[in-house]
Amino acid sequence: GAGVSQSPSNKVTEKGKDVELRCDPISGHTALYWYRQSLGQGLEFLIYFQGNSAPDKSGLPSDRFSAERTGGSVSTLTIQRTQQEDSAVYLCASSLAHGYEQYFGPGTRLTVT
Amino acid sequence: KQEVTQIPAALSVPEGENLVLNCSFTDSAIYNLQWFRQDPGKGLTSLLLIQSSQREQTSGRLNASLDKSSGRSTLYIAASQPGDSATYLCAVRSRDDKIIFGKGTRLHILP
Repeated sequence: GAGVSQSPSNKVTEKGKDVELRCDPISGHTALYWYRQSLGQGLEFLIYFQGNSAPDKSGLPSDRFSAERTGGSVSTLTIQRTQQEDSAVYLCASSLAHGYEQYFGPGTRLTVT
Repeated sequence: KQEVTQIPAALSVPEGENLVLNCSFTDSAIYNLQWFRQDPGKGLTSLLLIQSSQREQTSGRLNASLDKSSGRSTLYIAASQPGDSATYLCAVRSRDDKIIFGKGTRLHILP
């Protein structure tokens, strides 16, 4: 596996439904990051994991957002009761450790109708 | 609260010219700064990472500088090519351990 992969690449969901977004980091990378990029906005930092723990969840926009990382590898970002304002591209990145160079995945484009 | 600004928001330059992209940040207590490029509909590609103790980093035609005390970084692109057309983003790792991105500069190299 060469780089960071994310799935699905596109997701269309109805307002009120829950969605799960998946990120597979580069093998051996201990740090994993989630960002959101909305149309016309910059990248918004959501959360990062160093190993399995999430040191700082304060970037999550509401309590409808949660993320977990099991086994120090794959991470899932869950959005409950989706709202239209959740529509954005969700990007995942990994790095060797926190503070090292980040490598990004292609993103998941989420559209809430 | 750390804020990162990139000016200009968009830039068009004839092919072959050298150019400078600017990034400024309000809190000079950063751990590092990273420059990325983003092509339309794609993820981000890392270009250069500068640690807070460093003044510059170079990779090929790219040179990034960091002046922490003045809260500024520049990305210098030499001998620009049409393939350099993309959005360029800078991001700082702030002292509260958050990663803050600027909104980017959309660069268009005119053939």
